[in-house]
Amino acid sequence: GDSVTQMEGPVTLSEEAFLTINCTYTATGYPSLFWYVQYPGEGLQLLLKATKADDKGSNKGFEATYRKETTSFHLEKGSVQVSDSAVYFCALSDPGSGYALNFGKGTSLLVTP
Amino acid sequence: SAVISQKPSRDICQRGTSLTIQCQVDSQVTMMFWYRQQPGQSLTLIATANQGSEATYESGFVIDKFPISRPNLTFSTLTVSNMSPEDSSIYLCSVDGADPHQETQYFGPGTRLLVL
Repeated sequence: GDSVTQMEGPVTLSEEAFLTINCTYTATGYPSLFWYVQYPGEGLQLLLKATKADDKGSNKGFEATYRKETTSFHLEKGSVQVSDSAVYFCALSDPGSGYALNFGKGTSLLVTP
Repeated sequence: SAVISQKPSRDICQRGTSLTIQCQVDSQVTMMFWYRQQPGQSLTLIATANQGSEATYESGFVIDKFPISRPNLTFSTLTVSNMSPEDSSIYLCSVDGADPHQETQYFGPGTRLLVL
């Protein structure tokens, strides 16, 4: 079945550092890929998405490129801020599974001043 | 994107009781989903609720424990029945995006449940 694997956290970075959170997936069909963010005490917010190979999703300085050849969707940001501290979830949606989201385990990011 | 609200936002319940969580959307949507997020864990899909049909449950979740209603295109409820401390979790509802972006889901703020 479909699955998502994320790098284990927690990740601790200093403000303005470069961020990469790795995400790889397995899927039988042609999934859409997502990054969701969960700030402390809040629900999930869609951060960015990509619906086909080579698409790049971007939002709030974050980027991720849908790489079919490496089955990856790594999240990057060039300069993190303290306000980026949150848990980040990689997820996929396969139309063959009725669009239900399959989540990775989440990566906790802490950015220190 | 749709605006989604959930009630209650949090609750503390005694074991053996039941709690019904409401999910309200500000626009008509085709699919609504219920997820569980256990402490420190990722999200797990409980069931998919489509209006006019029975909910579809994922492996490990059963209707007797998690009955779901979907009376119209803007509302759904999830009941957590005969609760035990293991049911302490965040319960989130989500909805699909409007066509042609049905693959995208938007989440409510969640209901934080503690069972004593």
